[in-house]
Amino acid sequence: GAGVSQSPSNKVTEKGKDVELRCDPISGHTALYWYRQSLGQGLEFLIYFQGNSAPDKSGLPSDRFSAERTGGSVSTLTIQRTQQEDSAVYLCASSLAGHSYGYTFGSGTRLTVV
Amino acid sequence: DQQVKQNSPSLSVQEGRISILNCDYTNSMFDYFLWYKKYPAEGPTFLISISSIKDKNEDGRFTVFLNKSAKHLSLHIVPSQPGDSAVYFCAGLNNAGNMLTFGGGTRLMVKP
Repeated sequence: GAGVSQSPSNKVTEKGKDVELRCDPISGHTALYWYRQSLGQGLEFLIYFQGNSAPDKSGLPSDRFSAERTGGSVSTLTIQRTQQEDSAVYLCASSLAGHSYGYTFGSGTRLTVV
Repeated sequence: DQQVKQNSPSLSVQEGRISILNCDYTNSMFDYFLWYKKYPAEGPTFLISISSIKDKNEDGRFTVFLNKSAKHLSLHIVPSQPGDSAVYFCAGLNNAGNMLTFGGGTRLMVKP
């Protein structure tokens, strides 16, 4: 597609439930990144994919968080047993490999855990 | 350990005046520095960058200055316009070119 697409745009979930957030990167972009922005905070790195592999998972805040990417394209970020502190805007970005000028962000998924 | 810091969470400027947004970093290995602009309910968009071997880069109303000895960079917007009102993020790019580390952002408000 023309841009990075994220779905859903908004998600309200009850504490303890699992959620899946989806990212469709720009076609041909081999690198994919997940960040999150908590209220009043900056952009916190979560995980980076190069193709289908994740060389850097260092930002995942706990083992409740996991992500996968299939076919070198769509990525899913899964949060199990959600907690209120997971409430944030989750942003996905994609780029050509090693070319961060082409770092294009999606509009994000606003997750609210109640 | 915050490698990139933006110490001013917000800045208010009158239309037509200069806006100066500041950023400090601790990682000497950053290869490039980038500024991103974010409107509400949208993803950040790339604004301007500077190589670590330069001290100034200018693009229209936007100029970024880098002081490597002080590990400090700044974004100047002149003249400021109401449409510039947004959150501005400073970021450092690693020398592998595959990872951006962002600061906490500064909310700029340009008053008409």
